[in-house]
Amino acid sequence: DQQVKQNSPSLSVQEGRISILNCDYTNSMFDYFLWYKKYPAEGPTFLISISSIKDKNEDGRFTVFLNKSAKHLSLHIVPSQPGDSAVYFCAASAPSYQLTFGKGTKLSVIP
Amino acid sequence: EAGVVQSPRYKIIEKKQPVAFWCNPISGHNTLYWYLQNLGQGPELLIRYENEEAVDDSQLPKDRFSAERLKGVDSTLKIQPAELGDSAVYLCASTPLRASYEQYFGPGTRLTVT
Repeated sequence: DQQVKQNSPSLSVQEGRISILNCDYTNSMFDYFLWYKKYPAEGPTFLISISSIKDKNEDGRFTVFLNKSAKHLSLHIVPSQPGDSAVYFCAASAPSYQLTFGKGTKLSVIP
Repeated sequence: EAGVVQSPRYKIIEKKQPVAFWCNPISGHNTLYWYLQNLGQGPELLIRYENEEAVDDSQLPKDRFSAERLKGVDSTLKIQPAELGDSAVYLCASTPLRASYEQYFGPGTRLTVT
């Protein structure tokens, strides 16, 4: 049973436009959410996070939105750049600090 | 600051052979994780260490997998004997504190079992 779901395996966006990556979760105990970015042959790198007590967190071009009632979060990248092309993983943590990852969404930003 | 170091980066072995992966976490990071990542999947936790103590190894297949972190710094993950289904990327991650969500990942070891 997948507790963190990223239903879009891939996404293509034109450079300069907005990229929206989505993530759904089922476990109500999750209280912290993170997005990781992964380039080929590298490990995932932390991008941005949000606590369950907030509904939005912004860091430069990256914004994460959390809708607790819908158990849904999204990552917005504005404007998208070719260097943003990577696989993005959504991760969630219960109070144990153990992370549960989604399957990832491959973002391609087209110049 | 040096990141998490893993070696080897790639390993090809025949089934039934043993294999070992090594991880050196970021200096000062007391918590260390080993993850398994299959193709098209997200990382899945195998084991978590707090210093030299394995505090969560519930997902580690103990019949063939073992891990150690003897001095609370470097860690080794071993598979013996390897099976075809073990082909995957093995990731190591570390955090500075026990109560920390943000994990720092190494580049991983890609294992191919033939």
